[in-house]
Amino acid sequence: DVKVTQSSRYLVKRTGEKVFLECVQDMDHENMFWYRQDPGLGLRLIYFSYDVKMKEKGDIPEGYSVSREKKERFSLILESASTNQTSMYLCASSLGLGNKETQYFGPGTRLLVL
Amino acid sequence: SQQGEEDPQALSIQEGENATMNCSYKTSINNLQWYRQNSGRGLVHLILIRSNEREKHSGRLRVTLDTSKKSSSLLITASRAADTASYFCATVSSMDSSYKLIFGSGTRLLVRP
Repeated sequence: DVKVTQSSRYLVKRTGEKVFLECVQDMDHENMFWYRQDPGLGLRLIYFSYDVKMKEKGDIPEGYSVSREKKERFSLILESASTNQTSMYLCASSLGLGNKETQYFGPGTRLLVL
Repeated sequence: SQQGEEDPQALSIQEGENATMNCSYKTSINNLQWYRQNSGRGLVHLILIRSNEREKHSGRLRVTLDTSKKSSSLLITASRAADTASYFCATVSSMDSSYKLIFGSGTRLLVRP
């Protein structure tokens, strides 16, 4: 089974702090994704990566950056956390590109920015 | 804007009853997928239906797709308390070269024992 893990289930940070959210997948998947999930808004794509050191902006990249130095690891970085970044963050991976690929999700990190 | 919109937003049924959730979308798609999310957890893929398919089954799940109406439905038969979760549809648009999944806002299903 594919396993996608996220470094923290719950995180509390202060406004202005730099925040790192880590995601690791163990199935040699090419693609990795970061979403945020907010009530009534569903999942919104922040960034994704289809290869090591490659990244693409999603629908809401502002205030975020990402890093993919190794195939199995995709990090989301909040350079200066703000209260409007309080949210549930979900990482996902998929085997390859193409319209039939399903995504495998981690358990999520619930971030609270005070 | 969101591609998929689920209806209803919330659904409460008795164990053993069937649950039907609907999803509408705006643009042409390559495929439509349904995911399930237990409270506070990640999403789990349930089923994928391609644009040239009209119906698909997987265990107690039945998905239909009507591309003329740009809509899909997810039917869970003989529901169980363990089916309590949020259900999301997600589409892969054929309107651009991206393979991104666009998620709807979900239907919260409560199955009462």
